[in-house]
Amino acid sequence: EAEVAQSPRYKITEKSQAVAFWCDPISGHATLYWYRQILGQGPELLVQFQDESVVDDSQLPKDRFSAERLKGVDSTLKIQPAELGDSAMYLCASSLGGAKNEKLFFGSGTQLSVL
Amino acid sequence: SQQGEEDPQALSIQEGENATMNCSYKTSINNLQWYRQNSGRGLVHLILIRSNEREKHSGRLRVTLDTSKKSSSLLITASRAADTASYFCATDGEYGNKLVFGAGTILRVKS
Repeated sequence: EAEVAQSPRYKITEKSQAVAFWCDPISGHATLYWYRQILGQGPELLVQFQDESVVDDSQLPKDRFSAERLKGVDSTLKIQPAELGDSAMYLCASSLGGAKNEKLFFGSGTQLSVL
Repeated sequence: SQQGEEDPQALSIQEGENATMNCSYKTSINNLQWYRQNSGRGLVHLILIRSNEREKHSGRLRVTLDTSKKSSSLLITASRAADTASYFCATDGEYGNKLVFGAGTILRVKS
């Protein structure tokens, strides 16, 4: 069964350093999502792409976070500089077209620890 | 912001028993979805129920939706140790197609 691929699986960094996460969605899925999940909470949407365009980045801290999906396939989420409060699980998900009543397919996530 | 709120926060049962989790939300929705998350892993979609549906089944899962009370329940029958996980409800509607997750219920099934 096709899966959403994410790397790295774990990332440890010091505050003020730059980090980047990569996601490859299921082939043919036009919509890609980046979620952040703090321990003990549900995932919170950071950014949503439809093909290569951003359709929702209202919760993305744009002073330090950036996301791109240049060719409308894989995507990169970057944090620069990282802060202690950024420690969390970063989850990538994809869906066919972003329409209502669609289910999301999640990757295994990147667990980020900022020291 | 989190639209759905699951109840209870944590649930511990014996293998073979049924587990019931509840989700309440605040605004009108198009659909409600339930997801499972094993520790340290991504979420897996379990079931989707549309706003015009009242009940849905999938294997040992039964989901109900009461839009008048803005609530949903997930029932897992004959639970197994492998059902140990966190369970999240997610709704759309308030913010367009944006899917908003609750804080989850942690289920532990003891063998």
